[in-house]
Formats: sequence, C-alpha cells, structure tokens
Amino acid sequence: ILNVEQSPQSLHVQEGDSTNFTCSFPSSNFYALHWYRWETAKSPEALFVMTLNGDEKKKGRISATLNTKEGYSYLYIKGSQPEDSATYLCAFRAVNQFYFGTGTSLTVIP
Amino acid sequence: DGGITQSPKYLFRKEGQNVTLSCEQNLNHDAMYWYRQDPGQGLRLIYYSQIVNDFQKGDIAEGYSVSREKKESFPLTVTSAQKNPTAFYLCASSISSGENQPQHFGDGTRLSIL
Repeated sequence: ILNVEQSPQSLHVQEGDSTNFTCSFPSSNFYALHWYRWETAKSPEALFVMTLNGDEKKKGRISATLNTKEGYSYLYIKGSQPEDSATYLCAFRAVNQFYFGTGTSLTVIP
Repeated sequence: DGGITQSPKYLFRKEGQNVTLSCEQNLNHDAMYWYRQDPGQGLRLIYYSQIVNDFQKGDIAEGYSVSREKKESFPLTVTSAQKNPTAFYLCASSISSGENQPQHFGDGTRLSIL
C-alpha cells in the first residue's frame, strides 16, 4: 500500500484569506495526481488531474502545482469564500489503482 | 442528468449476514471502483473493474465480493467473512482506467452492524 500524505489535516481561515495545502506521494511509478473537493453530505467532485512534472492548473480561484521528482503537489485557494469550505482530497494514481490521502478539511469563516 | 447512484444510503446488518450495496452509473463509463472510508483514514480501494465481466482486487478485498455483468452496474457484497464491515462505502467510475480521467463518485452507503 502506497503512502499519500496531506497536510495540514484541518485549516480555519477568514473569508478573503488565501491558503494552500500539500499532498505528498511516492516519486516512483507516477501516473497521475488527482485533486477532489468533498463537501459535507455531497459526493467528491473532481478539481484537477495532473500528469506532467511542473504542471500548473487553474480553475477560478483554485490552482494546483505538481512536482513529480520530489513527490508533492500544492493546492492554492486565493481569496477564500465560505463556499470553499470542504475537505480537499488528493489521490495518487499508480497503474490502475488510486491511493487517497486523508484530506485537508478547510473551514472559511465569514 | 448522468451520474452514479448508490443505494441504500444507510444499511444495517446483523452479524453473520451478507449484504449487497448497489452502484449504478449512466455515464457510459468502462471503469468502476469501490472504496471504503474509515475515520482518520483515506479512501481505500476494495475492488475495481476495467470492463464488463472483469474485476481485480484492491488493497482490502478480503471479505468482499463483486460482479460486473452489465456496464452500468457494479454491486458490492459484504460477506460474513468481513470482520469489521462498519464503514462508509463509496462507488466511483471513470471513462476508462487507462486514461487520466477523473473519477465520478456516488453519494455513498453507510453500513452499520446491529
């Protein structure tokens, strides 16, 4: 079983603050790194699929970077809003299997 | 609207009973997955299927069984051999397992032992 770690485990920020969290994964046998947002009482929703070292992806105020050589990805949220409150999961894809981190729980305080 | 439907939302099992969790998708996806979530742990893969009539064990397959007789359906049976079945179960699908496409998830089933 591969180890995927996310930090911090939880985060509280004020509305308007920018924030970022980390996903660490094995640097060998890399196929892809996925980010998902999981709101309470809903199903996880895909944010990004990242495949190339140095990839940067952006969706509105959320962006992500990827470093496959050192085995980490950062997720950034600019100007956090209350609707950004959710658990953010990363998943490392190795061949046909996915290995998920435990997630970062973000609470944005109005 | 296309999506993944899991049923039931809550399920209770008596010790020694087998129970089956349903997962149906109308996204025309080839690959389907079953995950288990326990408190403080990430989603762990139980079984996955890349195509009809084919499936592979994930990291925690012991005590579970699956079938994939139709593209749309991937039911998971929790057998009496699974000693600690209380958990939250998520089903997912993707266009194929060979492409770097995101997974789409259902709303989950919470299984509890009476």
